Amino acid sequence: RKEVEQDPGPFNVPEGATVAFNCTYSNSASQSFFWYRQDCRKEPKLLMSVYSSGNEDGRFTAQLNRASQYISLLIRDSKLSDSATYLCVVNRGGDMRFGAGTRLTVKP
Amino acid sequence: SAVISQKPSRDICQRGTSLTIQCQVDSQVTMMFWYRQQPGQSLTLIATANQGSEATYESGFVIDKFPISRPNLTFSTLTVSNLSPEDSSIYLCSVRGAGGNEQFFGPGTRLTVL
Repeated sequence: RKEVEQDPGPFNVPEGATVAFNCTYSNSASQSFFWYRQDCRKEPKLLMSVYSSGNEDGRFTAQLNRASQYISLLIRDSKLSDSATYLCVVNRGGDMRFGAGTRLTVKP
Repeated sequence: SAVISQKPSRDICQRGTSLTIQCQVDSQVTMMFWYRQQPGQSLTLIATANQGSEATYESGFVIDKFPISRPNLTFSTLTVSNLSPEDSSIYLCSVRGAGGNEQFFGPGTRLTVL
């Protein structure tokens, strides 16, 4: 079993839609959590950290459920520019573990 | 965030040759890493580049195949040796932010082995 698992998608949604991605992690000792965004043929870039109380950054909301070892990312009012692969990342004792990514395509 | 550059950005190499990738950071960083990302896959950590000592390799990666240098806190090289088509991939340099939590990536080196 992979340490970080994501639904690979692809998710194809119209502009303005709300879309949610899920991620599960297997190691309960994991300490910090992130969502990264990777555009085609580009390097991954940090989108947002995920805090225990949940956090929001504009149209993006991240949630963490430590009991279920589950992380989510919600994107509201999707834009064409949101099209990318979203990587769930878990930090366990300094080791960053990456999910395989969920691919999102937002269509006009 | 750190600004990271990599050279070359891409290369096409013959089987059996080697490629050395350079990574330069605009500030001193403690933690520096090399990742591989194969087509359609996520990132796999190859090794942690340690300044002044041998790199720490992940399971499945060995020094003979992926020698790494880290002469100072702003620079590292990764060599992919004795290339085979299976080594075709994107290789990314990465550094840990000052807070020790976030990670930043270089633009990657796209390697194709014929």
